Amino acid sequence: DTAVSQTPKYLVTQMGNDKSIKCEQNLGHDTMYWYKQDSKKFLKIMFSYNNKELIINETVPNRFSPKSPDKAHLNLHINSLELGDSAVYFCASRLSSGATYEQYFGPGTRLTVT
Amino acid sequence: AQSVAQPEDQVNVAEGNPLTVKCTYSVSGNPYLFWYVQYPNRGLQFLLKYITGDNLVKGSYGFEAEFNKSQTSFHLKKPSALVSDSALYFCAVRDASGSARQLTFGSGTQLTVLP
Repeated sequence: DTAVSQTPKYLVTQMGNDKSIKCEQNLGHDTMYWYKQDSKKFLKIMFSYNNKELIINETVPNRFSPKSPDKAHLNLHINSLELGDSAVYFCASRLSSGATYEQYFGPGTRLTVT
Repeated sequence: AQSVAQPEDQVNVAEGNPLTVKCTYSVSGNPYLFWYVQYPNRGLQFLLKYITGDNLVKGSYGFEAEFNKSQTSFHLKKPSALVSDSALYFCAVRDASGSARQLTFGSGTQLTVLP
């Protein structure tokens, strides 16, 4: 009965590789997000999709490409990984209608680039 | 632009004592305010929110927060702290009338409850 799930939980890879992180939510939400949490725990939004359409695209290198095949899934593909990409990546979702506004977060994917 | 500040990186409190974690915000219009908690190696969990109405908001695990418009603050409180409350706490804000549709998070406050 997991609400927001991410795979993998841990990802260790070498510089220059390409990797993907997957996110799925079973809450019936229509908006999904990717956040990056750095080593100092600072949380920064990267992307947001609403009904499979990109609505937020913060200043993120174009090596990062989100894809939303449907409302319940938002994946993050990263090309040519760099040391600075090492972080914890969180997926989140919310329902855009009504007065909820709060986001629900996945458990995170810890990416380590060596 | 919207922003939020958590002035304390670390808060220590003895078990059984009241706790306060501070948050101040800045938005152009009316704020939507949130508190989240993050336990080690876990995702963020929603605690409570202020959207409109009563300035005192009650949330999960006995936490509450008070919205103070004149001081632009939304401090998190609990009357009696538990060791299990030890975690990283994030305040977040969204401008209700702004075009930005995302939350802006504070830098987090590490709460340690000492037995």
